Amino acid sequence: LAKTTQPISMDSYEGQEVNITCSHNNIATNDYITWYQQFPSQGPRFIIQGYKTKVTNEVASLFIPADRKSSTLSLPRVSLSDTAVYYCLVGDGGGSYIPTFGRGTSLIVHP
Amino acid sequence: DSGVTQTPKHLITATGQRVTLRCSPRSGDLSVYWYQQSLDQGLQFLIQYYNGEERAKGNILERFSAQQFPDLHSELNLSSLELGDSALYFCASSVATGDYEQYFGPGTRLTVT
Repeated sequence: LAKTTQPISMDSYEGQEVNITCSHNNIATNDYITWYQQFPSQGPRFIIQGYKTKVTNEVASLFIPADRKSSTLSLPRVSLSDTAVYYCLVGDGGGSYIPTFGRGTSLIVHP
Repeated sequence: DSGVTQTPKHLITATGQRVTLRCSPRSGDLSVYWYQQSLDQGLQFLIQYYNGEERAKGNILERFSAQQFPDLHSELNLSSLELGDSALYFCASSVATGDYEQYFGPGTRLTVT
């Protein structure tokens, strides 16, 4: 049973806000939601992590509704350099720590 | 730069051979994780060590083994290599065990011919 579901791909244009939604219907009480960005042939880069409501840092915002069954990564005013694969993970790092990256969402930003 | 280093950057070897990949975690991080990324399988978690002890195991083949040394660097040993082992191998580190906030190295690209 997949822990998370994301769109396979998304397209956007420079300067637009991009929202990538991840579904995690079976999220456990202690689970956190973590997002990574990966460029081709590079290691994934940690973007943001949250548990509930909203988290914001210098790169992105993460919105988590009250039921926590989904989350949305928001990238403000994207540029060509934001073209990458974005992964959503859920887990608490507890006893059964098996991080599942899945296939992620391939975001392509057009000029 | 994540602060995690991996050597070598590229490795080309023949089937049946054995190789060792090396990883140095960020300063202060006690956990090391190994991942394999191939085109058909995506990013797969292999194994995790925390302060020298194995803590979690993922889809790691019996031909593969790893260890973390007292200075916290880690090595991933791949033996009896097959063509299908060709992939990018990433190491990541974190402060605590089982932490989903991890910092990845640049990877080692292994090509088995």
